[in-house]
Amino acid sequence: GEDVEQSLFLSVREGDSSVINCTYTDSSSTYLYWYKQEPGAGLQLLTYIFSNMDMKQDQRLTVLLNKKDKHLSLRIADTQTGDSAIYFCAESMRQGGKLIFGQGTELSVKP
Amino acid sequence: EAGVAQSPRYKIIEKRQSVAFWCNPISGHATLYWYQQILGQGPKLLIQFQNNGVVDDSQLPKDRFSAERLKGVDSTLKIQPAKLEDSAVYLCASSLETVGQPQHFGDGTRLSIL
Repeated sequence: GEDVEQSLFLSVREGDSSVINCTYTDSSSTYLYWYKQEPGAGLQLLTYIFSNMDMKQDQRLTVLLNKKDKHLSLRIADTQTGDSAIYFCAESMRQGGKLIFGQGTELSVKP
Repeated sequence: EAGVAQSPRYKIIEKRQSVAFWCNPISGHATLYWYQQILGQGPKLLIQFQNNGVVDDSQLPKDRFSAERLKGVDSTLKIQPAKLEDSAVYLCASSLETVGQPQHFGDGTRLSIL
């Protein structure tokens, strides 16, 4: 079945690294995505990784993919208060490309 | 480039009334999606269009929800009659193609049913 799981909350201090974890069930997923949602706003695409890659780095963001364990993580280096938001992991279905989202991880960054 | 545009931003109606949402995707994007996001949850796909044809509407409650994308550009999503459980944010997204292209989201329409 299609299911994506995330922990609900993460709290870090400004300047620390944040790591948000996600597990998914569909091994045929083609791409895996990270989106950021601020209060009252839509989803902002942060980064994505093709399923045959194991790492992707984009400025402060590092995505790690363990396809064997179906585990995806997003590391934010030097976390800032502006990074406080809800982060969604999503897998893209091979058939049709629809996204299956996790329930979101609320990141709180304390000064 | 301009992003995905949605209107209205907020809508409050009473149960059993009808409501419609509008979406204008990013120019040139063939694929358009409507998602429903209930408070505290991730978005769930309602319907997906490729140009003006429906690709996936398996999760659309067709007894009350309808959607169209007549000229392959703008789309409208309608609910008639609304139920209390329809209170949610309705997000529109678009992508160049169905697979392998990231989806870009609008700011959504927040619907409250009284």
